[in-house]
Amino acid sequence: AQKITQTQPGMFVQEKEAVTLDCTYDTSDQSYGLFWYKQPSSGEMIFLIYQGSYDEQNATEGRYSLNFQKARKSANLVISASQLGDSAMYFCAMRLRGAQKLVFGQGTRLTINP
Amino acid sequence: DARVTQTPRDKVTEMGQEVTMRCQPILGHNTVFWYRQTMMQGLELLAYFRNRAPLDDSGMPKDRFSAEMPDATLATLKIQPSEPRDSAVYFCASGLVLGTDTGELFFGEGSRLTVL
Repeated sequence: AQKITQTQPGMFVQEKEAVTLDCTYDTSDQSYGLFWYKQPSSGEMIFLIYQGSYDEQNATEGRYSLNFQKARKSANLVISASQLGDSAMYFCAMRLRGAQKLVFGQGTRLTINP
Repeated sequence: DARVTQTPRDKVTEMGQEVTMRCQPILGHNTVFWYRQTMMQGLELLAYFRNRAPLDDSGMPKDRFSAEMPDATLATLKIQPSEPRDSAVYFCASGLVLGTDTGELFFGEGSRLTVL
């Protein structure tokens, strides 16, 4: 069975600092995809970044990068130069290749302080 | 700008009433998911469809919940009768899954249900 673990229920970071949100996963499958979503206070789920299990390079999207360590089964999200608008819940998720459903972690609430 | 549309955005109802939530997936997407979000359980998958066929609804209480896709532009989630423990935000998401492609999901803004 798939499982996603986010061990940080909340994080407080100073504006302009970099922040790392932790995510570990558990699966016996070799082919899977890892996702990060952002949920601001308005409630919608916003896709941020994707990493395939066979991708050799860490995924990057603007200020977001995914620190993928396959042997450790971790997929941490790194946000560089944090902004006040980054304050939100962040969810890590996984989908097995060939399967349909996305399994989510419990989320991390990130607060950026001015 | 293509997006998943959900209605209603907010619903307050009394225990025992029927509730129907609707979702219009992004045109061309072939998979549709229903998720429920609560503080205690986080995001739980209730059901999903591929090419309008239900693939998995094991996360859904069968006695009161039902999910359908009458056509490619509409997915519905119905609760009958509703109970206070059904209070949650219900998200619909759609995606284009081609073979083994692990494309992203696009979420609607959610339907916040409160059952009194």
